[in-house]
Amino acid sequence: EDKVVQSPLSLVVHEGDTVTLNCSYEVTNFRSLLWYKQEKKAPTFLFMLTSSGIEKKSGRLSSILDKKELFSILNITATQTGDSAVYLCAVYSGAGSYQLTFGKGTKLSVIP
Amino acid sequence: NAGVTQTPKFRILKIGQSMTLQCTQDMNHNYMYWYRQDPGMGLKLIYYSVGAGITDKGEVPNGYNVSRSTTEDFPLRLELAAPSQTSVYFCASRGGQNNEKLFFGSGTQLSVL
Repeated sequence: EDKVVQSPLSLVVHEGDTVTLNCSYEVTNFRSLLWYKQEKKAPTFLFMLTSSGIEKKSGRLSSILDKKELFSILNITATQTGDSAVYLCAVYSGAGSYQLTFGKGTKLSVIP
Repeated sequence: NAGVTQTPKFRILKIGQSMTLQCTQDMNHNYMYWYRQDPGMGLKLIYYSVGAGITDKGEVPNGYNVSRSTTEDFPLRLELAAPSQTSVYFCASRGGQNNEKLFFGSGTQLSVL
């Protein structure tokens, strides 16, 4: 059974702090890993990673994948209250990559 | 550009009632999915479809049925609703096997009392 484990499950930081969110996985025939941000409604796409060691970056957010050690991290620098959300990690696996397996998410709260 | 549209946004059902959650997308995507999200539990796949006329079970299909008669629409049917089906339901779509970015609808909050 495919597994995606995120840590920590929740995190409270002050504005301006830097945070690192973790995602480890055990899946058959890994294909890609995706990060989503979920505020009150639908998850919104952040990054997709397919190759080890390549950093994806968008403003204050960045992510890297380690396919050898089977994990990914999502970094957020200079956090703002608008970064408060649940961050979801998900992995495509299998020959057809039809199914996307999600972790439980990390709830990030940024306080002024 | 509407993307993925789900209706209704909220619904309360009594135990044993049935209903259909509607999902339509206007991006000509082949792959469509139904997920449920319980508090603190992430997203669980109920059913998915890789094209019109083709559907398959996900991780938690019991109590649900789907159909895919057109590329645009992927309704989810709940028969004999149970309290365990209280959840937020998300429909999602993606372009195809080599296009892995999943687009989500805004969700349906369902309560079964």
